Amino acid sequence: GALVYQYPRRTICKSGTSMRMECQAVGFQATSVAWYRQSPQKTFELIALSTVNSAIKYEQNFTQEKFPISHPNLSFSSMTVLNAYLEDRGLYLCGATGGYEQYFGPGTRLTVL
Amino acid sequence: GDSVTQTEGLVTLTEGLPVMLNCTYQTIYSNAFLFWYVHYLNESPWLLLRSSTDNKRTEHQGFHATLHKSSSSFHLQKSSAQLSDSALYYCALSPYTNTGKLTFGDGTVLTVKP
Repeated sequence: GALVYQYPRRTICKSGTSMRMECQAVGFQATSVAWYRQSPQKTFELIALSTVNSAIKYEQNFTQEKFPISHPNLSFSSMTVLNAYLEDRGLYLCGATGGYEQYFGPGTRLTVL
Repeated sequence: GDSVTQTEGLVTLTEGLPVMLNCTYQTIYSNAFLFWYVHYLNESPWLLLRSSTDNKRTEHQGFHATLHKSSSSFHLQKSSAQLSDSALYYCALSPYTNTGKLTFGDGTVLTVKP
């Protein structure tokens, strides 16, 4: 079956440092990968949508300078949170689209101290 | 931009009673797709239902929903709640097929009690 793995599942970083998270699609070819953030008490908010061999499109309020994404092939994507601060804490979800469905990983929970 | 509104942030039901979780949406796209996702703590959200054509009912695992473009709604229903239905439910919108870009509602926590 189609599965999406994310690692690490949880991470803690000091304020001002950076943290990289990864997303792996298994069992299907992901035509695109979307990264979402769920801040405390909020819903999932799209950060960016990445399609292999196309430019990564960032949503308003999110930039490549802050959240650089690498999407080298159909099954793998990584995103870095640069200079993380308190407002960056939350659950980062990866959604990989295969066919008509978007499959989600369990998320990476980021705590910023 | 697109938006999804889910009412009733917390819904508590007794087992056996019917379930209805509301979802309305706003989008400029006439062929938008609506989804219901289920999210258990520390697990991956998974797809419960995906909308079909206008006014057509879709069903899965005892749940059903009908896309009504006239009222911009995609309410989730089940005739009889089970204890295992307790979870966080998200309604989400994709402006057109296979975009990989979803707009989520705020989520509704469903708790089913014996």
